[in-house]
Amino acid sequence: KNEVEQSPQNLTAQEGEFITINCSYSVGISALHWLQQHPGGGIVSLFMLSSGKKKHGRLIATINIQEKHSSLHITASHPRDSAVYICAVAQGAQKLVFGQGTRLTINP
Amino acid sequence: DAGITQSPRHKVTETGTPVTLRCHQTENHRYMYWYRQDPGHGLRLIHYSYGVKDTDKGEVSDGYSVSRSKTEDFLLTLESATSSQTSVYFCAITPEAGGYEQYFGPGTRLTVT
Repeated sequence: KNEVEQSPQNLTAQEGEFITINCSYSVGISALHWLQQHPGGGIVSLFMLSSGKKKHGRLIATINIQEKHSSLHITASHPRDSAVYICAVAQGAQKLVFGQGTRLTINP
Repeated sequence: DAGITQSPRHKVTETGTPVTLRCHQTENHRYMYWYRQDPGHGLRLIHYSYGVKDTDKGEVSDGYSVSRSKTEDFLLTLESATSSQTSVYFCAITPEAGGYEQYFGPGTRLTVT
């Protein structure tokens, strides 16, 4: 079993829908990251959080340390949000363990 | 943009040849990492460095070596490339000592035929 599990693996939605991507982990962590990767593109850090909730524009990330679970929400989704979203947990300062990613496609 | 560049960006090579990938950063960050990204596996750590001449292995280090002779450059070498090393390779840095953030380079797509 992977230490970091994301669901769903693939998600297709219509423009404007509310999107939720989930991440569960089984190890103790120092922080959790959400990353975005567009097709053929590099990897961009969206959020790093160790408790509570963070918001940036239409993106919201939450984490529940007790339940070892995090969610990434996208409100009013847009085709440009189509990308792979990756959850990664930090075990100590230098080690990141990555989920396999969620491929999101938003259709116009 | 954390000032990270990778070279080459694309490379096709033959099995058995040596290959060196370069990661260059402009902001004197101490920690640097090499990852590979493969379908079905996500990102996996190959090697990392915590200073000049200080490196350590990650979870998939077999077949790879690294060197860091100056702060700004972290080199990944495949001594004798194999088809299983066909992958996209990402370099990353941590911007502050003891921090958890990592910023990624643009990636190098390596194909071993």
